[in-house]
Amino acid sequence: DVQLVESGGGLVQPGGSLKVSCAASGFTFSSYEMNWVRQAPGKGLEWVSYISSSGSTIYYADSVKGRFTISRDNAKNSLYLQMNSLRAEDTAIYYCARQGSTWHLDYWGQGTLVTVSS
Amino acid sequence: QSALTQPASVSGSPGQSITISCTGTSSNVGGYNYVSWYQQQPGKAPKLMIYEVSHRPSGVSDRFSGSKSGNTASLTISGLQAEDEADYYCTSYTSSSTLYVFGTGTKVTVL
Repeated sequence: DVQLVESGGGLVQPGGSLKVSCAASGFTFSSYEMNWVRQAPGKGLEWVSYISSSGSTIYYADSVKGRFTISRDNAKNSLYLQMNSLRAEDTAIYYCARQGSTWHLDYWGQGTLVTVSS
Repeated sequence: QSALTQPASVSGSPGQSITISCTGTSSNVGGYNYVSWYQQQPGKAPKLMIYEVSHRPSGVSDRFSGSKSGNTASLTISGLQAEDEADYYCTSYTSSSTLYVFGTGTKVTVL
């Protein structure tokens, strides 16, 4: 079975940094594009970032461009999101999601909560 | 990139059919057949219900169907059941550097 397990969330002060991870299993991780999607408390879903299977192509939402960095380690079956210069509005559950055969997200992890507060 | 527009809430009685709309622009919904729909139960991760406008993943009930006309996509749930009560989000591929744009979300209530 496909499994995506996020970790690394927590409480961080405004302006601080945090790196969240996503461990993948049950499929050939290196063959799939991956995404991060977030959801602020009580709010809707917001796409954050995309990375191609090889890591050579990356996209970001305008709201995080220049502050967040997506990466992957195919040898470790892991996806990462390095978040710098964090703001209160970055407070959210961060989900990793596998990209399907075309432009859709076919499997999601359970998410990790990032809280930005002093 | 503005979010796709969905009704905040839709309700129906068990056995009825309901339809949730998702309105975008020619840069997203209207320009591509890459509309997908996700169900999110309280406290859970989203689950893919429909992709490429009208395709159902394996394991998703055939009571769920999708369609599109112009800049508006729709999700129809037929034979509404109590277990269908959840939030539903549409999303579309977009021609901008923001690859995906999500809908505002619709809360489905089974009366």
